Amino acid sequence: DQQVKQNSPSLSVQEGRISILNCDYTNSMFDYFLWYKKYPAEGPTFLISISSIKDKNEDGRFTVFLNKSAKHLSLHIVPSQPGDSAVYFCAASRPGGSQGNLIFGKGTKLSVKP
Amino acid sequence: GEEVAQTPKHLVRGEGQKAKLYCAPIKGHSYVFWYQQVLKNEFKFLISFQNENVFDETGMPKERFSAKCLPNSPCSLEIQATKLEDSAVYFCASSQSSLSYGYTFGSGTRLTVV
Repeated sequence: DQQVKQNSPSLSVQEGRISILNCDYTNSMFDYFLWYKKYPAEGPTFLISISSIKDKNEDGRFTVFLNKSAKHLSLHIVPSQPGDSAVYFCAASRPGGSQGNLIFGKGTKLSVKP
Repeated sequence: GEEVAQTPKHLVRGEGQKAKLYCAPIKGHSYVFWYQQVLKNEFKFLISFQNENVFDETGMPKERFSAKCLPNSPCSLEIQATKLEDSAVYFCASSQSSLSYGYTFGSGTRLTVV
């Protein structure tokens, strides 16, 4: 039973345009959400996070939006660059447990075409 | 060092053999986390340590899996009597705190059980 879902296995975007990666969750008690980026043969790299008390967090070209009523978050990358091509994982902090215990989605592979 | 060092990068074991994976956290990081990624799917949390003490072991299989973090030694994850379904990439991460956004992941150890 997946608690964090990334329903799009892949996404292709033209360089310079906006990339929107989506993530849905089922547990309304999740209190912290994160996005990780992963290149082949490397470990995931932390990208951006958002607390459940906020609805938006921005860091340079990356913005995460949280819609708690819909149990949905999205990562916007604008403008997209070829170096952004990677697999993006959404993760949620497990409620009631240690904050280090994350529940991950299956990832979305982003391809940014020059 | 400034990276989480995981060894070996690849490990092949016959069914029933023992597998031992190592992780050297970033110097100064007191938290270590182990995750399992099967077939490029979501990461499954296994166990975390605060220094040499188990912090959260809720994801650890009850049988065959064990882990340690001893002073002045790399942390280790050991699988006794490996099974085909143990084939996965095992990622280690370290952090200065238990908060999720402080993670730095290693590049992983790919375990193949044949």
